[in-house]
Amino acid sequence: DTAVSQTPKYLVTQMGNDKSIKCEQNLGHDTMYWYKQDSKKFLKIMFSYNNKELIINETVPNRFSPKSPDKAHLNLHINSLELGDSAVYFCASSTGTGGYTFGSGTRLTVV
Amino acid sequence: GENVEQHPSTLSVQEGDSAVIKCTYSDSASNYFPWYKQELGKRPQLIIDIRSNVGEKKDQRIAVTLNKTAKHFSLHITETQPEDSAVYFCAASIITDKLIFGTGTRLQVFP
Repeated sequence: DTAVSQTPKYLVTQMGNDKSIKCEQNLGHDTMYWYKQDSKKFLKIMFSYNNKELIINETVPNRFSPKSPDKAHLNLHINSLELGDSAVYFCASSTGTGGYTFGSGTRLTVV
Repeated sequence: GENVEQHPSTLSVQEGDSAVIKCTYSDSASNYFPWYKQELGKRPQLIIDIRSNVGEKKDQRIAVTLNKTAKHFSLHITETQPEDSAVYFCAASIITDKLIFGTGTRLQVFP
């Protein structure tokens, strides 16, 4: 069983479109995150949710909107996609007291 | 906020040699320091972590050391093997808070 699963794995879309990435974890963790990894491999936190509540919102454009229907799911919706949004997006989860378990990533390409 | 610097950005070693990657952090309140390994096209995976009440931790061929006074921590890999080739990330956080990652070190182990 995959611990943290993301869908889709690849996403190619045109500028201006709206898209969503889904994430689910079956580890029973309370905290979930979205990280963006750019072309230089830099991993930067975007959002963090604890038990469905938003606790971290870094300086991310408001075109990005996370949604957590329950503590096992954290989805990311992106409006009006721009070229600069192209990156790999990783979902992760943790107990809040230790290391993260990452999903397999979603490679988003905006053309 | 926390800032983590990581050096070197690339490291090439001969199989069997040791590799050392160094990180410094800025927030003296940080108390949790994990290391992640990311193979090409894969997710970051936790390989070892250390908490601020411990100076050193070892797991087979990998070890991590922490100097809280200097705000340095390092990853040591002994008897390197070609399968150790990957990008390694250090990170720092105050437990229950967000992980801030270093910029990554691309390790290449030549047979």
